[in-house]
Amino acid sequence: AQSVAQPEDQVNVAEGNPLTVKCTYSVSGNPYLFWYVQYPNRGLQFLLKYITGDNLVKGSYGFEAEFNKSQTSFHLKKPSALVSDSALYFCAVRDGGDYKLSFGAGTTVTVRA
Amino acid sequence: EAGVAQSPRYKIIEKRQSVAFWCNPISGHATLYWYQQILGQGPKLLIQFQNNGVVDDSQLPKDRFSAERLKGVDSTLKIQPAKLEDSAVYLCASSLEGGRAYGYTFGSGTRLTVV
Repeated sequence: AQSVAQPEDQVNVAEGNPLTVKCTYSVSGNPYLFWYVQYPNRGLQFLLKYITGDNLVKGSYGFEAEFNKSQTSFHLKKPSALVSDSALYFCAVRDGGDYKLSFGAGTTVTVRA
Repeated sequence: EAGVAQSPRYKIIEKRQSVAFWCNPISGHATLYWYQQILGQGPKLLIQFQNNGVVDDSQLPKDRFSAERLKGVDSTLKIQPAKLEDSAVYLCASSLEGGRAYGYTFGSGTRLTVV
C-alpha cells in the first residue's frame, strides 16, 4: 500500500522568508512524487513532480522539491515566499508500477505581509 | 488547451435526494478520475476510467454511487440517495497514459452540501 504524510497542518511564514512544506511517503516500489496547490474554490494545480533523475526538482512559481530516498521525503521549498503563495498544498505519491495517486491531508500555508 | 470542465460548481440537496455531476476531460486524455475531497482531508479516489472502461472502483460506495463514461469522453457521477457524509468537493481529473509520468489535470470541482 502507498501512503503520504504531511506532518504539519499549517505553516506560517513572513513574506520574503524561506518556505518549506514537509512530506514523507511510503511505497513498495519506486515512488512517483507530486506536489499540487489548491486555492479557495479552485481545483488542484500541478506544481512539480519527481519521477527519476536529479533529486532536486524545479517547478512552477519558483517552487522546488528535494527527493530524499533514505528519509523517504519530498519536501517542497521556496527560497522567498510571497503573500500570493498562501494556499493549501498537497503532496501525492504513486507506486511506479501502479496508477493510483494517493494524497496527503494537505498543509495550509499562510504568508503574512 | 482547454482544462477539465465540471458542472455544476455548487449543489445543495437534502439527504435522500439524488444528484449528478458532469465532467468533460481534456481532449485526448484517455484516463479519467473522480475524487472525493472532504473538508480537511486530501482527495480520495472514487473511480478511474480508461477510455470507457472502469479500471478501479474499489473505493466507490456502490450502494449509492454510480459513474459512467459514455463513449470514452464525458463522465457523470451520481449519488442516490445522498447522505450527510457525502458533503464534499467532487473533483474530476484526466491524464495521458494513466498519468504515470505526467500527473493529472484537475477540474475546479463541484461542492456538494447535503442538508
